[in-house]
Amino acid sequence: EAQVTQNPRYLITVTGKKLTVTCSQNMNHEYMSWYRQDPGLGLRQIYYSMNVEVTDKGDVPEGYKVSRKEKRNFPLILESPSPNQTSLYFCASSSLGGRVYNEQFFGPGTRLTVL
Amino acid sequence: SQQGEEDPQALSIQEGENATMNCSYKTSINNLQWYRQNSGRGLVHLILIRSNEREKHSGRLRVTLDTSKKSSSLLITASRAADTASYFCALMNSGYSTLTFGKGTMLLVSP
Repeated sequence: EAQVTQNPRYLITVTGKKLTVTCSQNMNHEYMSWYRQDPGLGLRQIYYSMNVEVTDKGDVPEGYKVSRKEKRNFPLILESPSPNQTSLYFCASSSLGGRVYNEQFFGPGTRLTVL
Repeated sequence: SQQGEEDPQALSIQEGENATMNCSYKTSINNLQWYRQNSGRGLVHLILIRSNEREKHSGRLRVTLDTSKKSSSLLITASRAADTASYFCALMNSGYSTLTFGKGTMLLVSP
């Protein structure tokens, strides 16, 4: 089944304790992206990647890191989490289809609470 | 990057009625996409309309795009309780690098 998986689905942690949220897709998509969703703010893009070893900042990259060493994986790293990073996080992927982007496929979300 | 603005923020209708949501934006786009999100879950792609298209249909969904007014509308006909969800428009920028989501319209369809 074609899907985007994220782990963990729920995480409660404390300020300053490094964490990684994994994202994996099995559709051989070139494009992957991380978003955070907060009430009243909608979805905001954190980082995206057009292909292996190519990553770029989105609208809200501060406090986050990403890597794209393999095509299928795009982990999100919080080196020193803070309470303002408490949010619902989504990973998404898409084929590039030439120069026109197709639909994005979303993972189920990771609800992160930083105390 | 620009964000689409959906209108209304919330919409409550009865089953069988039509639901119309609008999205406005400010700068040029490559395409505009509509997504649906059930409470707290991942978004699901509904329909994509390119900048050179004016109307698209998919089942009970009809999307229009007016690039001169920089606006799009999503019409759901003969709504069902199962259509209850949040609906987001998303703008693909002309550089093909980012997809920017609006804040969404919450649709409640009562039986």
